[in-house]
Amino acid sequence: QKEVEQNSGPLSVPEGAIASLNCTYSDRGSQSFFWYRQYSGKSPELIMSIYSNGDKEDGRFTAQLNKASQYVSLLIRDSQPSDSATYLCAGGNQAGTALIFGKGTTLSVSS
Amino acid sequence: NAGVMQNPRHLVRRRGQEARLRCSPMKGHSHVYWYRQLPEEGLKFMVYLQKENIIDESGMPKERFSAEFPKEGPSILRIQQVVRGDSAAYFCASSPPRTNSEQYFGPGTRLTVT
Repeated sequence: QKEVEQNSGPLSVPEGAIASLNCTYSDRGSQSFFWYRQYSGKSPELIMSIYSNGDKEDGRFTAQLNKASQYVSLLIRDSQPSDSATYLCAGGNQAGTALIFGKGTTLSVSS
Repeated sequence: NAGVMQNPRHLVRRRGQEARLRCSPMKGHSHVYWYRQLPEEGLKFMVYLQKENIIDESGMPKERFSAEFPKEGPSILRIQQVVRGDSAAYFCASSPPRTNSEQYFGPGTRLTVT
């Protein structure tokens, strides 16, 4: 059974701080990784995609991928209360036909 | 609205009835995926379709569930003889026509079985 593991949290950070979210995956054949944000009662919203080892930056968000360690992370700089949500890590299966999701990490940013 | 569209947004069915959930992909996308999110659980893949073809249905329950994506019209996820355990949020996602591409989710259909 291929899995994606995340710490469920809650992760609490003060406004303006850096929030660090982590994820590990078991399928070495995964080629693609994604971070989604999901507000309560809403649908997942794509934040970042990453396909290669290293860092990828987009605004306040940086995704990091280490395929040797089977580890994906998301850094949120200058965290805002509006960033308070559940963050879902997902990896593509080997065939590229489905996403395998972790259960999500709840982030709370206090003002 | 260029986003993924789903309807209905909320659906209430009695046990034993049929539920039909519809999904229209984002403009320019030809690949559709269905996921289910049970309370307190993560998103689980159900099925991946292209026009007139089911590509991967490894996540679909063996009985009562079916999906289609006809040449014309939306993709449909059909649940026959619903049971209380089918109550969940059902999300549709779409992507451009290539593997491992980014998937964009619709607003979801919240199914409640009474």
